[in-house]
Amino acid sequence: AQKITQTQPGMFVQEKEAVTLDCTYDTSDPSYGLFWYKQPSSGEMIFLIYQGSYDQQNATEGRYSLNFQKARKSANLVISASQLGDSAMYFCAMREGVVIDKLIFGTGTRLQVFP
Amino acid sequence: DAGVIQSPRHEVTEMGQEVTLRCKPISGHNSLFWYRQTMMRGLELLIYFNNNVPIDDSGMPEDRFSAKMPNASFSTLKIQPSEPRDSAVYFCASRSPGGGGTGELFFGEGSRLTVL
Repeated sequence: AQKITQTQPGMFVQEKEAVTLDCTYDTSDPSYGLFWYKQPSSGEMIFLIYQGSYDQQNATEGRYSLNFQKARKSANLVISASQLGDSAMYFCAMREGVVIDKLIFGTGTRLQVFP
Repeated sequence: DAGVIQSPRHEVTEMGQEVTLRCKPISGHNSLFWYRQTMMRGLELLIYFNNNVPIDDSGMPEDRFSAKMPNASFSTLKIQPSEPRDSAVYFCASRSPGGGGTGELFFGEGSRLTVL
């Protein structure tokens, strides 16, 4: 079974608009962490934002925010005021518990920002 | 501070040859991960080490793949013999010790392997 599901292979957004990238996860562990990474065309993986399962508030980092809905097991990334430089692949990832220490990634969403 | 350093950045080899990919994690990080990225399978975790000890190698495709971490500052991923289906980008990532912070992984720039 997929642990991390990203159902949007591709998304388009106009510059300066907001966009939401979807991510759902599956775990029975009460302690877990959710991550979003950006991969531009140059190939490097850039950490964007983190949400812990016990965090009471949604995480925010500049123009990035994470819409964390625990009951629905979703952790959507919201990018506000999109910029051309936001065009990239975006990956959602999960780390389960403390003992299981690895990060499992979703299949990614390719975001294209147009002028 | 230097990030995760991988070498080579690009490798083109012929089927049957041995390939060795190298990784230097960020100083002070005690966990190291090897991932493989392909169009078909996305980002797959191959193996990860904690304090130089392999913890989970369930993602290693088959016996042709092996990974070592002889010390805290160096790891290798070896493919012998290589096959065309091994063509991918191989990422190394490291993470600082637990006890605080988000625990995010810091990735190297990747090694792009092409097996002809």
